[in-house]
Amino acid sequence: AQKVTQAQTEISVVEKEDVTLDCVYETRDTTYYLFWYKQPPSGELVFLIRRNSFDEQNEISGRYSWNFQKSTSSFNFTITASQVVDSAVYFCANTGANSKLTFGKGITLSVRP
Amino acid sequence: DAGVIQSPRHEVTEMGQEVTLRCKPISGHNSLFWYRQTMMRGLELLIYFNNNVPIDDSGMPEDRFSAKMPNASFSTLKIQPSEPRDSAVYFCASSFESSRYPETQYFGPGTRLLVL
Repeated sequence: AQKVTQAQTEISVVEKEDVTLDCVYETRDTTYYLFWYKQPPSGELVFLIRRNSFDEQNEISGRYSWNFQKSTSSFNFTITASQVVDSAVYFCANTGANSKLTFGKGITLSVRP
Repeated sequence: DAGVIQSPRHEVTEMGQEVTLRCKPISGHNSLFWYRQTMMRGLELLIYFNNNVPIDDSGMPEDRFSAKMPNASFSTLKIQPSEPRDSAVYFCASSFESSRYPETQYFGPGTRLLVL
């Protein structure tokens, strides 16, 4: 069974600050997949990134970066120089060999001008 | 390209009524998923189909819920009879499963259901 823990529930930062969203996962599968989704106030779920368990390379996409560490079962997400448009709920999720996504509870990020 | 399409976007109904939610997956995708989002339970998978066949419906709450996928471009989630505790946002997602490994799921805008 998969489990995802997002211990932070709400984070509030001022624009241009860096912010890191934590994600800890549990799995018994040797091959698994990790995801981050964004849910802005409009309500849709927007895919951000997918990472395979056999690829521990970190990734950077513009102001977004992801740090995957199997040793600590973590897949953290950092937003550099945050902007008001980054305000949203961010979900971490994982899946094993099947296609069933297990989501964390989500982290509400508020970026103040 | 069009994303996942869901209808209606909002539904208000009275307890006991039948509710039907509709989903059109991304063209070419062969897997379809129904999720429910509530404050108490978060996002949870209800059922998923692969090549129009239900693969796992273990998340379907009870017999009042049923889902069908008559063809590759259409799926329905039906609640009969509806109850106030069914009030939630229902998301449909689709993916293209080309191997035995799961692929990225893309979500529709959701249907916000309120049962009075």
